Parts: sequence; C-alpha cells; structure tokens
Amino acid sequence: DVKVTQSSRYLVKRTGEKVFLECVQDMDHENMFWYRQDPGLGLRLIYFSYDVKMKEKGDIPEGYSVSREKKERFSLILESASTNQTSMYLCASTTPGQGHEQYFGPGTRLTVT
Amino acid sequence: GQNIDQPTEMTATEGAIVQINCTYQTSGFNGLFWYQQHAGEAPTFLSYNVLDGLEEKGRFSSFLSRSKGYSYLLLKELQMKDSASYLCAVSNDYKLSFGAGTTVTVRA
Repeated sequence: DVKVTQSSRYLVKRTGEKVFLECVQDMDHENMFWYRQDPGLGLRLIYFSYDVKMKEKGDIPEGYSVSREKKERFSLILESASTNQTSMYLCASTTPGQGHEQYFGPGTRLTVT
Repeated sequence: GQNIDQPTEMTATEGAIVQINCTYQTSGFNGLFWYQQHAGEAPTFLSYNVLDGLEEKGRFSSFLSRSKGYSYLLLKELQMKDSASYLCAVSNDYKLSFGAGTTVTVRA
C-alpha cells in the first residue's frame, strides 16, 4: 500500500520565518511534487523533482525552494514566510511514464500570521 | 498555458446520477485524470483516460473526447459517501494541471 506522509497536518508560523515542509514516500517513486491548494484555484504545482538532486519549477515557484537529497524525501522550503503563503500544501509522488497516478499525502495546512 | 474548467458545485439526490463536465485547453496532452477529494483529506485516484471513449469502473465512468477538449465523470447510484470534491487534471509530460474542482453534495 503506497504511503505518502507529510511532517505536519497543521502549522502556524510568523511572517519572515523560514519554514520547512517535509514529505516522505515509501514506494521508491522517482517523481515527487509539491502543490498548494486554495479555494477556487484548485491545486497549483510549485516544484517537482524527477530524481535525487533534480528539481524543476512548476507554475508558482516564487517564494519557495525545494530539496531532494534522498529518493524518498522531498522538502519544500519557504525562505521567508508571508501571509499570502497561507494555504494547504500537498505532496505527491508517482513513477515516470504515461498514465501513472499520483499518490498524495494528507496535506499540511500552513497559516502565516 | 493551461485552462481547465469544471463547474464549482453540483447537488444531487441519493440514488441519482450526476455528470461532472470538464473542458480543457492545454499546451500538451498525455491523458486526463479524475480524482476524488473528501473534505480535509488527500485526493485519491478515480480514473484515467488517454483514448477517446468511455471507461467504466463500477458506479463511476469517465469519458474523453480529445478533439473537443472535453471529459466527463459520471457517478451513478449516488451514495452519501460520494459527497466530495472531484478534480479534473490534464497530464502533460511529468506534470498534472488541475481544474478548480467540483464540489458534489448528495442529499438524502
């Protein structure tokens, strides 16, 4: 059974803080993704990685960075949190190739005050 | 760019049928996914279409017309547990582009 876990379900941070969101998957998937989900906007891709130490910008990378030092772990970093980064953050993983579903973690609801 | 449209909300009665439409205009296409997301939970995979036509899986069916940039998800014999958001997503290379989601409310 595929499992994608995220380090926190709820997180409250102050403006300007550096924030780390961790994601771990146990299915040896090459591809991993970070999304944010906001009402009326759906899921938007922030960054993705198709291999260790590889990363690609998604549609909304500004204000974020990522790290993938091990295959199973993909971290999202908010260098200096701002209130407009208050959102639900979802991590996902999949194997490469057409038609493979993405498996999602439970999400982290981040509030920046 | 990517443009994926689906209705915001739909309401239906238990036992009925609901059809959720999704239209898309995207720069690339490797298939279309439907996901279900219950409130406060992760999205879970429902279906994948890459060729035109209907794919049936139990009470759920999904249809694709690539020439029209159109898909629908059909939910039959609605149950209360089907109350959720349904997300349409277009695949292009490694990535998925999502619509905003359709919230389906099933009434008794």
